[in-house]
Amino acid sequence: GPKVLQIPSHQIIDMGQMVTLNCDPVSNHLYFYWYKQILGQQMEFLVNFYNGKVMEKSKLFKDQFSVERPDGSYFTLKIQPTALEDSAVYFCASSVAGLSNERLFFGHGTKLSVL
Amino acid sequence: LAKTTQPPSMEAYEGQEVNVSCSHTNIATSEYIYWYRQVPHQGPQFIIQGYKDYVVNEVASLFISADRKLSTLSLPWVSLRDAAVYYCIVTDDSYGSSGNKLIFGIGTLLSVKP
Repeated sequence: GPKVLQIPSHQIIDMGQMVTLNCDPVSNHLYFYWYKQILGQQMEFLVNFYNGKVMEKSKLFKDQFSVERPDGSYFTLKIQPTALEDSAVYFCASSVAGLSNERLFFGHGTKLSVL
Repeated sequence: LAKTTQPPSMEAYEGQEVNVSCSHTNIATSEYIYWYRQVPHQGPQFIIQGYKDYVVNEVASLFISADRKLSTLSLPWVSLRDAAVYYCIVTDDSYGSSGNKLIFGIGTLLSVKP
């Protein structure tokens, strides 16, 4: 079935550095999402994105976070600068049109370790 | 967004049928019911969705009560591969809601014994 690819699967960086997480969504999908999951805890919504704009973001989406999809390529989550509490698995998801009767397709996640 | 309540954990033996219940007492007429599952080191995977009555696909079936306040996910003949966290989620298509944002709870951890 359709797949969302996330690159890399694991990223290790030092606190204060910048990191970019990449997501290759399903090709005909127009809505994109990022979620954060700390080990052993529930999945938390961060942001959704449509037509080049952030549509909605949660309180977890700090000022240090940004998202974009330049020229229809990867959908990216950038964190600058990183903090220790940013260590988590970040999941990207996409859907066709963002309607409430549509499923989301999730990637396998990128594990971010901030040292 | 309606909140959901599920049992935190369940156990089953391989080959058994498993029924996972979910209460969504404040569900609105615009909201749909979704079930996802998550195995370790992977993202959530869609299982089934419904609005009312009974829905079945190749993986599971979903029964929704007449007042839509309770749903039950049924997994026939579970195997070790079905061990996962199962999430019951309701979504909102009302004005002001942007995209099909899923709000995850803690889910139900299903353990399967050989």
